[in-house]
Amino acid sequence: EAAVTQSPRNKVAVTGGKVTLSCNQTNNHNNMYWYRQDTGHGLRLIHYSYGAGSTEKGDIPDGYKASRPSQENFSLILELATPSQTSVYFCASGDARDSWEQYFGPGTRLTVL
Amino acid sequence: QQNVQQSPESLIVPEGARTSLNCTFSDSASQYFWWYRQHSGKAPKALMSIFSNGEKEEGRFTIHLNKASLHFSLHIRDSQPSDSALYLCAGSHYGNEKITFGAGTKLTIKP
Repeated sequence: EAAVTQSPRNKVAVTGGKVTLSCNQTNNHNNMYWYRQDTGHGLRLIHYSYGAGSTEKGDIPDGYKASRPSQENFSLILELATPSQTSVYFCASGDARDSWEQYFGPGTRLTVL
Repeated sequence: QQNVQQSPESLIVPEGARTSLNCTFSDSASQYFWWYRQHSGKAPKALMSIFSNGEKEEGRFTIHLNKASLHFSLHIRDSQPSDSALYLCAGSHYGNEKITFGAGTKLTIKP
């Protein structure tokens, strides 16, 4: 079965600090996505990627950067974390071979103090 | 930008009842549609998908898509307590670009 893992699972950061969230997939999917989930907003797309070396802005990219160094890995970077970025972050992968179904990781709960 | 509206925001139904969840899209060019289910504290997981107008049934779950009215729905018959979850509808234009999710409907099935 498709597998997406995320690390860390929980993170407490200080305002102004740098945070890196990591995602790894073993599905060999071309596309990977980063979402944040807040009550009342569902899943909102931050960045996505079509493959190694590519990153694209999603609907709410401000304050976030992304990096896709390989087919398997996709990172989300908060250079200067703010309390408004406190949320649950989900990574997902998807591909035409699976009819574009998105396979999600378990999520990372980030708290910025 | 695609806008996806779900209704109701929350729903409580008794065990064994039929449940209907609704989703409306703003973009008539949407071609791919999914329902995802997310149990509390877990990751969202695809429940069912449909790529053309009509109905699709899998067990107790039926989805219905009407592109002309931009309406997409999920129906659950004989609802079970294990169906209690957040249900998210989602759509995209071509399937290889960004997917837009609704805010979700929180469904609670009372035994």
